[in-house]
Amino acid sequence: GQQLNQSPQSMFIQEGEDVSMNCTSSSIFNTWLWYKQDPGEGPVLLIALYKAGELTSNGRLTAQFGITRKDSFLNISASIPSDVGIYFCAGQLKYGNEKLTFGTGTRLTIIP
Amino acid sequence: NAGVMQNPRHLVRRRGQEARLRCSPMKGHSHVYWYRQLPEEGLKFMVYLQKENIIDESGMPKERFSAEFPKEGPSILRIQQVVRGDSAAYFCASSQVQREKLFFGSGTQLSVL
Repeated sequence: GQQLNQSPQSMFIQEGEDVSMNCTSSSIFNTWLWYKQDPGEGPVLLIALYKAGELTSNGRLTAQFGITRKDSFLNISASIPSDVGIYFCAGQLKYGNEKLTFGTGTRLTIIP
Repeated sequence: NAGVMQNPRHLVRRRGQEARLRCSPMKGHSHVYWYRQLPEEGLKFMVYLQKENIIDESGMPKERFSAEFPKEGPSILRIQQVVRGDSAAYFCASSQVQREKLFFGSGTQLSVL
């Protein structure tokens, strides 16, 4: 089946730093989504990407859909304490109602 | 402005008992998805349902697990004769017709003693 690999697995940064994480796939996806999960909660949707090459922003977050349709990255600028959590990429093979395949996650920790 | 509602939040069962997990989708959503998450891992797809229909159950274990989404009422994920390996967080998500975005509930943490 499809696999999504995220890197890095974990990050330790200081408040105010920029963050970059990426996600690669062994196969093509037609939709990419980025989620954030806080402890004990479900994933919350951050950004959705629908076209190869698409660059989308949501506040301090920016994500891009790779040209090959096999990768995506997420950037967070000027990190703040509430950015702490686990970030997951997720892909869908086709448009419309379709299950998501999740990545392995990137755990973000902010050092005081 | 209710989101996806799951209950219970925490469920403790002894080996051999049955576990029933409930999910009420967001208003206006007719598609429900169940995922399982083990500690320190990503979410693994289990089953995708529409009202009264199972669309994709490729992630469901062949035995002891079943899911339904009746015409009236919440979606139910049922695990019979639970074993310790079933301990995990189970998340439900919902979406509108022909929409890619899935919205997740807060999950049910199942602990099997």
